[in-house]
Amino acid sequence: GDSVTQMEGPVTLSEEAFLTINCTYTATGYPSLFWYVQYPGEGLQLLLKATKADDKGSNKGFEATYRKETTSFHLEKGSVQVSDSAVYFCALSSQGGSEKLVFGKGTKLTVNP
Amino acid sequence: EAGVVQSPRYKIIEKKQPVAFWCNPISGHNTLYWYRQNLGQGPELLIRYENEEAVDDSQLPKDRFSAERLKGVDSTLKIQPAELGDSAVYLCASSTRAGVVSYNEQFFGPGTRLTVL
Repeated sequence: GDSVTQMEGPVTLSEEAFLTINCTYTATGYPSLFWYVQYPGEGLQLLLKATKADDKGSNKGFEATYRKETTSFHLEKGSVQVSDSAVYFCALSSQGGSEKLVFGKGTKLTVNP
Repeated sequence: EAGVVQSPRYKIIEKKQPVAFWCNPISGHNTLYWYRQNLGQGPELLIRYENEEAVDDSQLPKDRFSAERLKGVDSTLKIQPAELGDSAVYLCASSTRAGVVSYNEQFFGPGTRLTVL
């Protein structure tokens, strides 16, 4: 079945450091790919998405590129802030629409001042 | 615009007791989802509703779990009886009608953290 594997955490960085969180997937067909973020005490929020190969999703300085050849969707940010501390989830939807999201286990990011 | 509302936020019960969670989706959202998130894991879909109809309940443990969405708005998820392994965060999400070729963003509530003793 469909699955998502993401980098195990936790990840601890200093402010202004470069961030990469790796995500790879297994799916039939052409899934849509997502990154969700969960800030402490809050619900999951969609951070960015890409719906076809070579698409780049971006939001709030975060970016991820849909790489079909490597089945990857790595999350990057050039300069993290303390406010980026959260848990990040990679997810896919294999049916194209929003019928079902399959999530990775999540990666906890802590950014220190 | 109000987001997805869930209650209670926390619930502690003893095993074999019943428990219920309530969800109020974003106004106008036809599609409602219940997910379970175990500690250290990503959310897993339990059931999806299109209006009043449960269109995907394949992951719902039907021997002890039940759900309803009367009038296609609010939804209740029930566990009876609860087991130790049911301890988790139960998330509700909603979206506009699920599309075939386009993605309709799912908006998540804050969740209900259930602890079964």
